[in-house]
Order: sequence, then structure tokens, then C-alpha cells
Amino acid sequence: NAGVTQTPKFRILKIGQSMTLQCTQDMNHNYMYWYRQDPGMGLKLIYYSVGAGITDKGEVPNGYNVSRSTTEDFPLRLELAAPSQTSVYFCASSYSMTLKSANEKLFFGSGTQLSVL
Amino acid sequence: QKEVEQDPGPLSVPEGAIVSLNCTYSNSAFQYFMWYRQYSRKGPELLMYTYSSGNKEDGRFTAQVDKSSKYISLFIRDSQPSDSATYLCASAANRGSTLGRLYFGRGTQLTVWP
Repeated sequence: NAGVTQTPKFRILKIGQSMTLQCTQDMNHNYMYWYRQDPGMGLKLIYYSVGAGITDKGEVPNGYNVSRSTTEDFPLRLELAAPSQTSVYFCASSYSMTLKSANEKLFFGSGTQLSVL
Repeated sequence: QKEVEQDPGPLSVPEGAIVSLNCTYSNSAFQYFMWYRQYSRKGPELLMYTYSSGNKEDGRFTAQVDKSSKYISLFIRDSQPSDSATYLCASAANRGSTLGRLYFGRGTQLTVWP
């Protein structure tokens, strides 16, 4: 059971460089999310998607872009990396976007630790 | 004011102790309350889920919500070294697209030593 897979696990970028964080899930979930987790801080939602071709901004979208061409994949793009984007990035997926039961939960990947120097 | 406030700790207890983890929230519209557990270098995983007020028990874990004081608690009985992790509380209002508006606390780092 692969679940949600993120690559790479670690990356160091120089200021101004670009990169794409990859995320794929094999649970056929329509809903996918990108969070960032700064040290000692809670998870902040960057972007989410309700299905292929449909994305929406979360709480902290500035400096990021996303696309969703397939149900399985939801890459996150950093165009001009800045030190403020140093963080751990988590991709997640869910069967639905409601919370009617504990089964409707987020499944997280193991994260990508990104440093921008 | 943050939507969900949580003391980051760290908290260190001996094996067998009762652990109490707490959060407060500011939005009176919040109806869903969750606790996620996050092991080192791993993604969070759902531990407890509660709708509205009251208690929810699952084995050694009890989640408690007091909406009158906007207080969320997680109790761990007979704590084990395997409980060592960061515990994040999370809350959401009862509106459509709820998981797109889920607010997390900072997480409390717990260490249970043998």
C-alpha cells in the first residue's frame, strides 16, 4: 500500500531557483492538498484540488503554483525560491472534503524538507 | 488571534504516566475536532475525531471537547514509549469543503521515557 508518495525527501535550493515537488496517490482520491509546516508551527494549507483540472488557493498560496492534470498527481511548483519558503512540505489526499465521519480524513505523505539558501 | 492555539511543549513523561494535551480555539463555528499524531520525519495521521462537544474514547486515548470554553483535550492513559510523537489538534467549521478549511495547532512534542 503506497498511499501518498512525495519526492524528493530533501532538497536544497539557492535563492531564485525553481523546482517542482512531486506528489502522487494510488487511492483514487479526488481531493488533494499541499501543506507547509514551519518549525514549531502548525500546518498551513497552500493549495488544494477537488479533481483533475480544478485547483483553489489555501491560506498561504503566494509564491507557489499547482496543476492537476490527472487524479493521481498534484505537483507543487516554486518559481523563484526565497528563504521564507524553507519548510517541510506535505501532500495529502482524501476521499471527500466533508467531515461527516472519521473515515473522511486526510492521508499524508512523508514530506519534503526544503531549504532555500 | 490564531484559529487554534496549542502549547508546543516539549512534554516529557515516564512510561505509565497519564498525559494531557490541550488546545484552545477561537472560532465558535468550529464543530469538528481532531487529533493527529506525527512521528519524526513522517506525515501526520488521524488519531481521534470528535463532532461537537463531549468525549470520545479509543483504547488508551480519550478526546474531550468543551465548546463552552473552546477547549480541546487529548488524554493518554498508561503512556508508552511508542506514544512519543508530536500531537496536533485540528478544527473545522461545519460548512462545505470542510477539509479545505481545516486549522491546525502548532503541535505538542511528547516524549515517553522507559
